[in-house]
Amino acid sequence: NAGVTQTPKFQVLKTGQSMTLQCAQDMNHNSMYWYRQDPGMGLRLIYYSASEGTTDKGEVPNGYNVSRLNKREFSLRLESAAPSQTSVYFCASKGWGYGYTFGSGTRLTVV
Amino acid sequence: DAKTTQPPSMDCAEGRAANLPCNHSTISGNEYVYWYRQIHSQGPQYIIHGLKNNETNEMASLIITEDRKSSTLILPHATLRDTAVYYCIPTRDSNYQLIWGAGTKLIIKP
Repeated sequence: NAGVTQTPKFQVLKTGQSMTLQCAQDMNHNSMYWYRQDPGMGLRLIYYSASEGTTDKGEVPNGYNVSRLNKREFSLRLESAAPSQTSVYFCASKGWGYGYTFGSGTRLTVV
Repeated sequence: DAKTTQPPSMDCAEGRAANLPCNHSTISGNEYVYWYRQIHSQGPQYIIHGLKNNETNEMASLIITEDRKSSTLILPHATLRDTAVYYCIPTRDSNYQLIWGAGTKLIIKP
């Protein structure tokens, strides 16, 4: 089915470890996004990519890096994980004139 | 972007129409009204959007007042699976940074 695919679905990291969250969409959307959602809170934008080759900071970019590998893929990297980065991470994509399509999320715990 | 006001929670009986209001009195002329929902622990799901005219799709209907200062999302025959947090977000297509407010927690009761 068409949509946004995120991997992994669950991850436990130790403080200081690094990891990359992967996201791919097959809807030919230009813009892609990474959000985080803490328990009981709303979504906060980490980074976005308006089009292939461009990336921009969102509301909470500190501690993260992103790569827009091609039109389909947008990855999020944690270089040195901290307990404050324990959260659920959602990737999304959007086409012009359409709503966002979200992935199913990555549940990350940093211990 | 326009600020929004939504009731924090609402109940609705299963099988009845659920009407979710949203006030967006500062909406600008080129901002659409988008509605999303988030079922517990899942990614948000797009429902519907509109500019001026009322809209309907397989999931819901959207009623926008003539002055565009408020809108109502209607789920015509609510089911238990419609229990979720519903977000009303006025935005332009050129805006990449949406502000997700607290939304309305809709509970469908049997």
